[in-house]
Amino acid sequence: GDSVTQMEGPVTLSEEAFLTINCTYTATGYPSLFWYVQYPGEGLQLLLKATKADDKGSNKGFEATYRKETTSFHLEKGSVQVSDSAVYFCALKRGSTLGRLYFGRGTQLTVWP
Amino acid sequence: DAMVIQNPRYQVTQFGKPVTLSCSQTLNHNVMYWYQQKSSQAPKLLFHYYDKDFNNEADTPDNFQSRRPNTSFCFLDIRSPGLGDAAMYLCATSSDPGLAVQETQYFGPGTRLLVL
Repeated sequence: GDSVTQMEGPVTLSEEAFLTINCTYTATGYPSLFWYVQYPGEGLQLLLKATKADDKGSNKGFEATYRKETTSFHLEKGSVQVSDSAVYFCALKRGSTLGRLYFGRGTQLTVWP
Repeated sequence: DAMVIQNPRYQVTQFGKPVTLSCSQTLNHNVMYWYQQKSSQAPKLLFHYYDKDFNNEADTPDNFQSRRPNTSFCFLDIRSPGLGDAAMYLCATSSDPGLAVQETQYFGPGTRLLVL
């Protein structure tokens, strides 16, 4: 069945460090891929998405490229800030499943000044 | 701002005592979802409404029910909460899940349920 695997956290970085959070997926067909972010005490917010192979989603300095050959959608940011501290969720959706989102377990990111 | 609102943000209930969680939306979206998120786990879909049509996930316990009296509101009822039902409950909406695979879901802040 459909599933998403994220790298285990927590991830701890210093400000301005480079960030990579790995995400791989298993799905039939051509899913859309999403990164959601959950700041402390808040709900999930869409960070970026990609809807077909080789698409790159980007937002707030974060990027992720939909790689069908490696079934991956790794999240990257060149220079993290303290305000990026949050939990990051990778997710996929197939159009035939009534909008069902399959989430990874989330990766906690902590950025120190 | 258009948004998804959940009340209360924190709910404490006793073992076996029915509890209702509330979600409202100003986005005028057709679809409303309820997810359960246990500590350090991925959100798990419980059920969703597409307009008035209720869609239950196969592995959602009967203890969990939902009501959608109108487009704006959706309720999650837990008939007899057990200790294992302590979790964050997330409500989400989308405009139409069937039209576009890239359709975004918009989440509320969640209600954290504690069962004593």
